Amino acid sequence: KAGVTQTPRYLIKTRGQQVTLSCSPISGHRSVSWYQQTPGQGLQFLFEYFSETQRNKGNFPGRFSGRQFSNSRSEMNVSTLELGDSALYLCASSGRGPRGNEQFFGPGTRLTVL
Amino acid sequence: SQKIEQNSEALNIQEGKTATLTCNYTNYSPAYLQWYRQDPGRGPVFLLLIRENEKEKRKERLKVTFDTTLKQSLFHITASQPADSATYLCALVMDSNYQLIWGAGTKLIIKP
Repeated sequence: KAGVTQTPRYLIKTRGQQVTLSCSPISGHRSVSWYQQTPGQGLQFLFEYFSETQRNKGNFPGRFSGRQFSNSRSEMNVSTLELGDSALYLCASSGRGPRGNEQFFGPGTRLTVL
Repeated sequence: SQKIEQNSEALNIQEGKTATLTCNYTNYSPAYLQWYRQDPGRGPVFLLLIRENEKEKRKERLKVTFDTTLKQSLFHITASQPADSATYLCALVMDSNYQLIWGAGTKLIIKP
């Protein structure tokens, strides 16, 4: 089985711009979660989608949004970028929702905001 | 307040010895606890899962314990090797909403 893929792998944007990141889960997985990882804050949960519905949401401002398509692929969008949004954004898929089941992570998208 | 804590400082262990990493939590009642390994610049990789009614789980050189009274999980790597050097993350899985709560991770360095 192919693993979780994320595109793009690296991205450089300037403050005020918006960005869209994409995640393709493992075939058959219906749950996709997004995380932000920074050296100071560790792994922070953004949101989780299951069968096109947002099931859980972390404590991030409304500038961070996401969606999931019928084929389980997911996108996350960050509008009005701030310097503090520079981070590694990770996507993870899971077979039956994250309850007890392992999360399969993609390689991440490294976002740099200048 | 709710907290999940892992050793914040790097753990240096001599090759061949057993490495023990700690995950403590307060004010949570997780149904499961997971351990992941993360190498620099890569996403975490799942290692082990232990349920609240399990005391211990093993997989090859890895062993995890889960004490819901102490609110603590210990992660052991026996016969450690330099290739085991990485950051290890614990994550609590809440039964109520399936959400994972992550620790900040412990960096493990195995010296030859």
